[in-house]
Amino acid sequence: EAQVTQNPRYLITVTGKKLTVTCSQNMNHEYMSWYRQDPGLGLRQIYYSMNVEVTDKGDVPEGYKVSRKEKRNFPLILESPSPNQTSLYFCASSPKGQGRRSTEAFFGQGTRLTVV
Amino acid sequence: AQTVTQSQPEMSVQEAETVTLSCTYDTSESDYYLFWYKQPPSRQMILVIRQEAYKQQNATENRFSVNFQKAAKSFSLKISDSQLGDAAMYFCAYAIQGAQKLVFGQGTRLTINP
Repeated sequence: EAQVTQNPRYLITVTGKKLTVTCSQNMNHEYMSWYRQDPGLGLRQIYYSMNVEVTDKGDVPEGYKVSRKEKRNFPLILESPSPNQTSLYFCASSPKGQGRRSTEAFFGQGTRLTVV
Repeated sequence: AQTVTQSQPEMSVQEAETVTLSCTYDTSESDYYLFWYKQPPSRQMILVIRQEAYKQQNATENRFSVNFQKAAKSFSLKISDSQLGDAAMYFCAYAIQGAQKLVFGQGTRLTINP
């Protein structure tokens, strides 16, 4: 089954304790992204990756790191989490190319992160 | 910068009736894509419908259709014969050249009254 898998689905942590949210896709997609969802703000892009070892900042990158060492994996790293990073996080992947097929993003199940 | 605005934080409709969700966007691009995503309580993001800006014909998917007004930069979603399973948060989104960077609106929470 084609899917994007995020782990964990729920996480409660304390301020300053480094954490990683994993994301893996099995569709051989070139593009992967991270978004955060907050009430009244919708989803905002944190980082995206066009391919292995190619990453770029989205609209809200402060306080986050990413890496893309393998095509299928795109972990999100919070090195020193703060309460304002409490949010719902989504990983997404999409294929490279032209036309309609390249416009469909596949989303993970979401990770609810609480930083206390 | 591209922006997407959904001015209706909440909407409600009676089961079997029709409801329209509004979305406006701002862009200087001429070629782009617009989307409506549904997010039920399970948090899953489900693509409902998409529209290519170069197509004048409005997209339809069963009970879901859009009213795309390119000059007005408006992209509304019409849900006909509303069903209880349509209850969800709906997000309007914009992208150019693929889905690697989606710009989302604030969302509209749709309630279906039985």
